[in-house]
Amino acid sequence: EAQVTQNPRYLITVTGKKLTVTCSQNMNHEYMSWYRQDPGLGLRQIYYSMNVEVTDKGDVPEGYKVSRKEKRNFPLILESPSPNQTSLYFCASSVRQGEVYEQYFGPGTRLTVT
Amino acid sequence: GDSVTQMEGPVTLSEEAFLTINCTYTATGYPSLFWYVQYPGEGLQLLLKATKADDKGSNKGFEATYRKETTSFHLEKGSVQVSDSAVYFCALSEAGGFKTIFGAGTRLFVKA
Repeated sequence: EAQVTQNPRYLITVTGKKLTVTCSQNMNHEYMSWYRQDPGLGLRQIYYSMNVEVTDKGDVPEGYKVSRKEKRNFPLILESPSPNQTSLYFCASSVRQGEVYEQYFGPGTRLTVT
Repeated sequence: GDSVTQMEGPVTLSEEAFLTINCTYTATGYPSLFWYVQYPGEGLQLLLKATKADDKGSNKGFEATYRKETTSFHLEKGSVQVSDSAVYFCALSEAGGFKTIFGAGTRLFVKA
């Protein structure tokens, strides 16, 4: 089954404790993204990757890091989490279908930083 | 910069009612337009799309028409079901582009 998986689904942590959220896709897509979803703000892009070893900042990259060492994996790293990073996070992979890129989203990771 | 504005929710309807969720956009070029749906506890799924003016996207009984003159892409369904309860996101991307801009989302509740 074609899918994007994320782990963990739920995480409660404390300020400053480094964490990693994993993301994996089995569709051989080149493009992958990380978004955060906050009430009233919709989804905002954190980072994206166009291929292995190619990443770039999205709209809200501060406080986050990513890496793309393999095509299928795109982990999100919070080196020193802060309470303002409490949010719902989505990983997505994308494929070009004609004129547009269609995105396939993972189930989300709800992060709480205390 | 490009942006998407959706009507605020929540929208509460009875089963079999007509649904409209308004969406307008601001873009410098000729964007592609999308509606994504997020069911409780899940990630977003592409519902429908349109790539040029006057195109109509449709799926699962939902429709939206790309109106360039009014920069709108309103989502409609003739008869909603309880299973349509979800959050709906309008989105755009520049023609041929990868970056997607999302609206704030509109939550729909459908009562039996």
